[in-house]
Amino acid sequence: EAGVVQSPRYKIIEKKQPVAFWCNPISGHNTLYWYLQNLGQGPELLIRYENEEAVDDSQLPKDRFSAERLKGVDSTLKIQPAELGDSAVYLCASSLGQASTDTQYFGPGTRLTVL
Amino acid sequence: AQSVTQLDSHVSVSEGTPVLLRCNYSSSYSPSLFWYVQHPNKGLQLLLKYTSAATLVKGINGFEAEFKKSETSFHLTKPSAHMSDAAEYFCVVSAPPNSGGYQKVTFGTGTKLQVIP
Repeated sequence: EAGVVQSPRYKIIEKKQPVAFWCNPISGHNTLYWYLQNLGQGPELLIRYENEEAVDDSQLPKDRFSAERLKGVDSTLKIQPAELGDSAVYLCASSLGQASTDTQYFGPGTRLTVL
Repeated sequence: AQSVTQLDSHVSVSEGTPVLLRCNYSSSYSPSLFWYVQHPNKGLQLLLKYTSAATLVKGINGFEAEFKKSETSFHLTKPSAHMSDAAEYFCVVSAPPNSGGYQKVTFGTGTKLQVIP
């Protein structure tokens, strides 16, 4: 079974440029998460989807970040415009459902460097 | 409200000696607890999880953790460290849906395990 797929793996951009990350979850997983992980820190949730619906986006900086999950399968996270402080690893995860017992499966992440 | 505290940011052990990575949690509801491992430039991998069944949970690669409600702890242990265990480990707490809102997942800040040959 294929795991969570993310692309690109690495991205280097100049500040004020836009950038987009793509995630394809495990087949059949209804819940999809986007996390931000700064160096030496644990992942912090940006947004969580149940199918097409964003059910928790309270930590998403909506002035520059946006996300979508059309058709409830793959998802895109966008930053426009990017700032120096956005340099981090962006992780996507998926789980079968929203039960607290459900295991999250993580992709390899996208390492963003903003110059 | 919930929180996770990983008491050590770095742990160093010799190969073949026991490993102890400490985690304390706080949750208003009966939580599920997880340990994930992250090797350099790799994604997070589940080691084990506690979901209100047996309090002693066995995971992959010889790791296990014991849920102690009275101490609000979920420490990760392994009897004998291997070089391949060198990685960063994250303790995670997850609150059930009846918490008055959506499921809430909180990661600890991580413990970096160094294994000395």
